[in-house]
Amino acid sequence: GQNIDQPTEMTATEGAIVQINCTYQTSGFNGLFWYQQHAGEAPTFLSYNVLDGLEEKGRFSSFLSRSKGYSYLLLKELQMKDSASYLCAVRDTAGDLSFGAGTTVTVRA
Amino acid sequence: GAVVSQHPSRVICKSGTSVKIECRSLDFQATTMFWYRQFPKQSLMLMATSNEGSKATYEQGVEKDKFLINHASLTLSTLTVTSAHPEDSSFYICSASHDRVADTQYFGPGTRLTVL
Repeated sequence: GQNIDQPTEMTATEGAIVQINCTYQTSGFNGLFWYQQHAGEAPTFLSYNVLDGLEEKGRFSSFLSRSKGYSYLLLKELQMKDSASYLCAVRDTAGDLSFGAGTTVTVRA
Repeated sequence: GAVVSQHPSRVICKSGTSVKIECRSLDFQATTMFWYRQFPKQSLMLMATSNEGSKATYEQGVEKDKFLINHASLTLSTLTVTSAHPEDSSFYICSASHDRVADTQYFGPGTRLTVL
């Protein structure tokens, strides 16, 4: 099974940078995903890491260290619309996703 | 990108009735579909996984006779909540994947179920 930890809440100012950390313990690692979820909506895919290192996609970047069981999602140039819950999810070798509890990011003007 | 639809988006029903939720992959063949449940302020919990043409695999604690899953084609899976009770009220979300092990899961928009 998976044990996934991420902070519950974070607050930042519009235009700033926020880093959301995720640590995990897994019995069979097959990739780490970050999803964004607005209230009352389904998650939308943001990023995927399976090898160590940084994946950059516009204002969003995600980093993975498999040896440390650690990932982070970096949100740059924050906009009000980035206020949402960010879910860290780990896939096992069977293809099942286990989700963290989510980090609620609030962007203030 | 891959699109997954869900219907209905919202349903209110009386206790004891059954509710069917449809999940469709619109532009790709989904060999595997997943059903999740999410209670307020909690994360997604996997209920079951279904592969086209075979029986669903349920997670521990999920009653297979209460949550009936059918995955009859590569683009459609249905979840039927039988004899629904107020404690079944939740946000039900499906996801679909072309390759369970190697491909991203794409999520449907979710169905808000309220049982009175």
